[in-house]
Amino acid sequence: SQQGEEDPQALSIQEGENATMNCSYKTSINNLQWYRQNSGRGLVHLILIRSNEREKHSGRLRVTLDTSKKSSSLLITASRAADTASYFCATDEDNYGQNFVFGPGTRLSVLP
Amino acid sequence: AAGVIQSPRHLIKEKRETATLKCYPIPRHDTVYWYQQGPGQDPQFLISFYEKMQSDKGSIPDRFSAQQFSDYHSELNMSSLELGDSALYFCASSSSGVSGNYGYTFGSGTRLTVV
Repeated sequence: SQQGEEDPQALSIQEGENATMNCSYKTSINNLQWYRQNSGRGLVHLILIRSNEREKHSGRLRVTLDTSKKSSSLLITASRAADTASYFCATDEDNYGQNFVFGPGTRLSVLP
Repeated sequence: AAGVIQSPRHLIKEKRETATLKCYPIPRHDTVYWYQQGPGQDPQFLISFYEKMQSDKGSIPDRFSAQQFSDYHSELNMSSLELGDSALYFCASSSSGVSGNYGYTFGSGTRLTVV
């Protein structure tokens, strides 16, 4: 079964607006990570949040984690056209890094 | 800074042929993961290695095999290729084999096209 599932699947916003993407998962985890992928390119690690953390910031990125609801959100503030990409969350399914499971991703389009 | 290197970047093979993909992890990273991403799909875990031993296995077909060598680079061998094997194949590496400490670094992927 899909572990991380992103919501929405596609999001289109204007430059300068904030973009919020959500991720839900089913099993317990040690950590959750967010990745970015430009079309047909590699996955770039954005931010990692551990199961005992509730919020983390990195530049214009803000990630929250609610383990009681098994969900996470990625907020990109003051979006730019260059933020256009697909964003995936990945969880480790509480297996100490033996592998991690990606959700289907949110395709973000930031319009100039 | 050194990143995860994958080769080749692009590969075109015919059905029933064999392909070998290579992955060179970040220096001092001892864990390698292979993922397959079909067109418009999310990455799917194939297999991982920690300290040259297979550590976990995902949805990897029996036609595929992989190994990690003494210098920690890894190779994914794919035989009897099928059209459905056309995908981006990503390798990621991490340190200590334990998630959550350092995150994972992905290579740029190998785009395999089976014709």
